[in-house]
Amino acid sequence: AQTVTQSQPEMSVQEAETVTLSCTYDTSESDYYLFWYKQPPSRQMILVIRQEAYKQQNATENRFSVNFQKAAKSFSLKISDSQLGDAAMYFCAYREAQGGSEKLVFGKGTKLTVNP
Amino acid sequence: EPEVTQTPSHQVTQMGQEVILRCVPISNHLYFYWYRQILGQKVEFLVSFYNNEISEKSEIFDDQFSVERPDGSNFTLKIRSTKLEDSAMYFCASTRRKEQFFGPGTRLTVL
Repeated sequence: AQTVTQSQPEMSVQEAETVTLSCTYDTSESDYYLFWYKQPPSRQMILVIRQEAYKQQNATENRFSVNFQKAAKSFSLKISDSQLGDAAMYFCAYREAQGGSEKLVFGKGTKLTVNP
Repeated sequence: EPEVTQTPSHQVTQMGQEVILRCVPISNHLYFYWYRQILGQKVEFLVSFYNNEISEKSEIFDDQFSVERPDGSNFTLKIRSTKLEDSAMYFCASTRRKEQFFGPGTRLTVL
């Protein structure tokens, strides 16, 4: 079964600085999707960024970018120019791409604090 | 922008009672899901639904749980006889292709 591991229960960053959140996963599949979701105190799950495993280029969405290392099964999220509104729980998630399961498998999350 | 909606936002019930959680997925989406998040823990998959039937379910999704799409818009999760350990946030999600879009969640409290 696929597993997703987030080894940092908590991280903190100064406003305007850069922070990287780690995620590793385990799968025998070659084609899959990886996601980062943000969960603010409201507990809404908000999609931050998506990466397709067959794409070598790292995904970028404004201040958010990923470092996808397929061989190492690593998928870290970099937040540049951190803002107070970035404070939230961040969950890494995995999904198979072809047939099979459509479900998302989540890591345990990283709580990000942004200090003014 | 279309979004997934869920009602109620908070449900309080007595142990042993039945609850129905409601979701309205995004209108052109084809796949629907329920997830659960116990406070302070990770989000866990419960069930997926496609073409009017369950396509996959987890070990959590036992006989006490059922899902239904009674009309063209609503997608419901029923818990027949709630237990204390069912207290959690329940998220509905829908997708057409790749990304799953989540609703705001229903906080279920079982007393």
